[in-house]
Amino acid sequence: DQQVKQNSPSLSVQEGRISILNCDYTNSMFDYFLWYKKYPAEGPTFLISISSIKDKNEDGRFTVFLNKSAKHLSLHIVPSQPGDSAVYFCAASAQGNEKLTFGTGTRLTIIP
Amino acid sequence: DGGITQSPKYLFRKEGQNVTLSCEQNLNHDAMYWYRQDPGQGLRLIYYSQIVNDFQKGDIAEGYSVSREKKESFPLTVTSAQKNPTAFYLCASTPFAGLTTGELFFGEGSRLTVL
Repeated sequence: DQQVKQNSPSLSVQEGRISILNCDYTNSMFDYFLWYKKYPAEGPTFLISISSIKDKNEDGRFTVFLNKSAKHLSLHIVPSQPGDSAVYFCAASAQGNEKLTFGTGTRLTIIP
Repeated sequence: DGGITQSPKYLFRKEGQNVTLSCEQNLNHDAMYWYRQDPGQGLRLIYYSQIVNDFQKGDIAEGYSVSREKKESFPLTVTSAQKNPTAFYLCASTPFAGLTTGELFFGEGSRLTVL
C-alpha cells in the first residue's frame, strides 16, 4: 500500500523554466511533508518542508504547495538550473509517529 | 565536520553470507534509521532506533538485524534470510526521538550486490 505517490517517474524541463513536481498521499493523518533531493550514489538531502497548518512555504527558488483537501503537494523550482537535475522524493509524517514515509521519486532533468 | 559515515561504500557478497553495514554519526543525534532504496520503489524503512539499546522494526525488517549499543553507532546486518538483498542502503539520523521536525540527515549510502 503506497501511502505517498509520485506518479511521474521522470520530468524534463528547459533551463530557466519552471519545474513542477507532484506528490499525492492517501493517509489523512499525515501532517508534515518534506522534499528531499538525491544525486546518484549519494544520500538524499533535505530541501524544503511544510506543515499541514500552511498551504505554501518558500525558500529561495523552491516553493512547496499543499492542498489538504486534495491530499496533494507540489514542489515548484523557478528558475530551473542544471544543478537541479536529480531525483526528488517527497515524504510525509504523522504527529507522534517517528517514521517518515517516502514516495517513489521523480527524476528531474534540466536541459541546458 | 559533523555527519554520518557509512561503510563500506560498495560491497559484494556471495549468496548465503551475512554482511554488516556500518553507520556512525558524530552529530549527537538520538534517533537513527536504516532505509533501503530500490529502483522505482523509493526509500523503505528497515529498522529504526530512538535510543541506545532499543530499536523497532520498520516496514521491511525481515532478513535484517540491527544493534544500538552506542548512541553514535547503528550497524545493520543483512542476513542470508534476506531474499533479495541487492540494493542501496541508507543510514539516517534525527536530533531528537519522535521525528518532531521530520528532517532526516542521511549518510552517503552503501551499495550491496549479491553475486
